[in-house]
Amino acid sequence: GQQLNQSPQSMFIQEGEDVSMNCTSSSIFNTWLWYKQDPGEGPVLLIALYKAGELTSNGRLTAQFGITRKDSFLNISASIPSDVGIYFCAGRRGNEKLTFGTGTRLTIIP
Amino acid sequence: NAGVTQTPKFQVLKTGQSMTLQCAQDMNHEYMSWYRQDPGMGLRLIHYSVGAGITDQGEVPNGYNVSRSTTEDFPLRLLSAAPSQTSVYFCASSSLTSLPGELFFGEGSRLTVL
Repeated sequence: GQQLNQSPQSMFIQEGEDVSMNCTSSSIFNTWLWYKQDPGEGPVLLIALYKAGELTSNGRLTAQFGITRKDSFLNISASIPSDVGIYFCAGRRGNEKLTFGTGTRLTIIP
Repeated sequence: NAGVTQTPKFQVLKTGQSMTLQCAQDMNHEYMSWYRQDPGMGLRLIHYSVGAGITDQGEVPNGYNVSRSTTEDFPLRLLSAAPSQTSVYFCASSSLTSLPGELFFGEGSRLTVL
């Protein structure tokens, strides 16, 4: 099956730093979503994007739907301890099922 | 609000044993699905259902069976467990009125097959 490549696989940052991660595909998607998984929990939807070039914010989080429709980006500003977790991108073409990325694990160093 | 409830949270099986992972949702969602999460692989769809009496295969269905006799419940059965099925399993649901692509996940069931 198709996979979405997320980069980086893991990040170690200090509290207060900004975070950037991305997700790329060899195929075009018409929906991009970003989920966050807290330790020991299931993923929760953070941001959904439905149009190429769209830029959407949710508090300190900002996500963009790439112009080529083959990528998406997530930025977190001024990280805090509760940002720790695994961030998953997910893409969808038409009415197909979601394809999830491999995840970016975020760790905050005290 | 219970949302999506999975049981058990942890399970250890021996190769060849069978078991059922339970999933129940109280949101009257039409769509329910099972994913497995493995390191470096993200979430992969096992089976899904768009309503009671309707099920279909996802990306990695081999070794798993499902049924959907009610809107609320969507159990996942392993008939003869194998070590390759060691994973964390997530049940997820959504509604026709949910945002496109939005899934509501349970807390997960960690399965180890020895």
